[in-house]
Amino acid sequence: KQEVTQIPAALSVPEGENLVLNCSFTDSAIYNLQWFRQDPGKGLTSLLLIQSSQREQTSGRLNASLDKSSGRSTLYIAASQPGDSATYLCAALGHFYSGNTGKLIFGQGTTLQVKP
Amino acid sequence: KAGVTQTPRYLIKTRGQQVTLSCSPISGHRSVSWYQQTPGQGLQFLFEYFSETQRNKGNFPGRFSGRQFSNSRSEMNVSTLELGDSALYLCASSLVPGQGPAEAFFGQGTRLTVV
Repeated sequence: KQEVTQIPAALSVPEGENLVLNCSFTDSAIYNLQWFRQDPGKGLTSLLLIQSSQREQTSGRLNASLDKSSGRSTLYIAASQPGDSATYLCAALGHFYSGNTGKLIFGQGTTLQVKP
Repeated sequence: KAGVTQTPRYLIKTRGQQVTLSCSPISGHRSVSWYQQTPGQGLQFLFEYFSETQRNKGNFPGRFSGRQFSNSRSEMNVSTLELGDSALYLCASSLVPGQGPAEAFFGQGTRLTVV
């Protein structure tokens, strides 16, 4: 059974800092791993998706890496801004042939506060 | 192109009533999944539909049900509402795994409050 864990649960940093959010998963047989952002009371916004055959993906100031052998993914945010304040969630998708179609397993999230 | 649309955005219902939530996926997406989000349990998978068929189901009681129409729009229904059903219900659409990256796109959610 896949379990996803995110550490830390909360993080507060001054504006301009580079930071790393961590995500670990117990079953390495994933189809992809996706990072999301959620603002209070809102839906989820997809940030980056890493397919199982990839090692990393980049979008602007965001870089996500995937190491299936160790069951870890990291989200690196460069030069953080107050607008980055939100909850960040990682989610693993299993292979469709294992019956996990459409079922994302989420971590509990890391709530980030970037202070001006 | 238009994103995932969920209606209504907010609902207040009384215990014992039933409720129906709607989700319109991104055009071309045929897989629709539903999730429940609560402060205590986080995001939990309810079920997934593809081509009008439920392919996967989470660990929720039978009061939670859903369906998908031929245009890929989906509805979920909760009968005999309980206070613990109060949550943010999120819908996600994606292409079918095995035919691409299967990136999931979420709607803004329906906030259900049971009183």
